[in-house]
Amino acid sequence: GAGVSQSPRYKVAKRGQDVALRCDPISGHVSLFWYQQALGQGPEFLTYFQNEAQLDKSGLPSDRFFAERPEGSVSTLKIQRTQQEDSAVYLCASSPNRVNTEAFFGQGTRLTVV
Amino acid sequence: DAKTTQPNSMESNEEEPVHLPCNHSTISGTDYIHWYRQLPSQGPEYVIHGLTSNVNNRMASLAIAEDRKSSTLILHRATLRDAAVYYCILAKYNFNKFYFGSGTKLNVKP
Repeated sequence: GAGVSQSPRYKVAKRGQDVALRCDPISGHVSLFWYQQALGQGPEFLTYFQNEAQLDKSGLPSDRFFAERPEGSVSTLKIQRTQQEDSAVYLCASSPNRVNTEAFFGQGTRLTVV
Repeated sequence: DAKTTQPNSMESNEEEPVHLPCNHSTISGTDYIHWYRQLPSQGPEYVIHGLTSNVNNRMASLAIAEDRKSSTLILHRATLRDAAVYYCILAKYNFNKFYFGSGTKLNVKP
């Protein structure tokens, strides 16, 4: 079956513009994660959903970042008034259940703010 | 969250075994040890995970020290496609996040 799908793969935004990044997890996966990866760094946790509930958003860097998963499947990460420091690859991952198991990552969306 | 320490980079010859070390001296009893790898321009990919006993799968083996303060990922025969950044991560049983750190960049020479 299909893996985790993210769109768009690449996004160029002008500073101050709002962007929305989409994640289609593997069907039936309960857990969904968003990570931010700056160039040359490891991914950093942003937020975690269990079905439609956002259980942890401690990694969101500011109130300009907002994530939702209204029906417990597709998720959207929204960044308002983008700034240059938001330039990074945004990775989505899903996992079949709540307990310790493997997470499946998408290829990411590369956001460049100019 | 307990953190891990890995060498920044390692080099291996093709078709030879590779041992990637990881130190996690502050590991707690409920922390699982996960390994992920990230190929260029790809998202991270699960490799293996374990708690106390050594683990084997089709990709690799995980050797865990008796005191659990360190572990080693073993690739039995490195190929060029194994060139990637390898991350050693600690996660709780009901994990909701991974702390990736900087990982080890593995270079495989033909």
